[in-house]
Amino acid sequence: EAGVAQSPRYKIIEKRQSVAFWCNPISGHATLYWYQQILGQGPKLLIQFQNNGVVDDSQLPKDRFSAERLKGVDSTLKIQPAKLEDSAVYLCASSFRTGTGEQYFGPGTRLTVT
Amino acid sequence: DAKTTQPPSMDCAEGRAANLPCNHSTISGNEYVYWYRQIHSQGPQYIIHGLKNNETNEMASLIITEDRKSSTLILPHATLRDTAVYYCIVRGNYGGSQGNLIFGKGTKLSVKP
Repeated sequence: EAGVAQSPRYKIIEKRQSVAFWCNPISGHATLYWYQQILGQGPKLLIQFQNNGVVDDSQLPKDRFSAERLKGVDSTLKIQPAKLEDSAVYLCASSFRTGTGEQYFGPGTRLTVT
Repeated sequence: DAKTTQPPSMDCAEGRAANLPCNHSTISGNEYVYWYRQIHSQGPQYIIHGLKNNETNEMASLIITEDRKSSTLILPHATLRDTAVYYCIVRGNYGGSQGNLIFGKGTKLSVKP
């Protein structure tokens, strides 16, 4: 079974630039999550999708972050404009359904904002 | 905030059992204990979860105290590849946002030859 795919793996941008990350979940997984992991901390949930609908985006800084999952499969997370404090690893995870604690994580995208 | 307390770091000799403790004194009756680990430069990996009974799978064993206020993850024969940050998470079995995983800082386990 193929795992959660993410791209790119690494990205370096200057502050005020924009960036987008892509995630393809495990086939058949209805629930998709985006997490932000700052160095030395555990992952923090940014947004959760159930199919193509948003379940929880309470931790998403909506003035600069946006995410979509238009067809209920793959997803894109965008930051515009980026700030220095956005430097982190952005992890995508998926699960068969919401309500389960078994989530499968991708390798993440390491973003450096200079 | 995370509902669990874990030591920031632990060492274990290769081939020995690694016992990782977790305190969750405010756990409620319908909340599960989940364990994940994160190897360097990888995403977190699910290990095991339990409600009140002890659980075992191919990766580890989970021992939950009778009052459910603490638990221990046991890796029976640690290898160098088990070096990782281990997260203990308390989670309700709900759908939607109520069942989201809240990660703390975890325990960094170093397995030494």
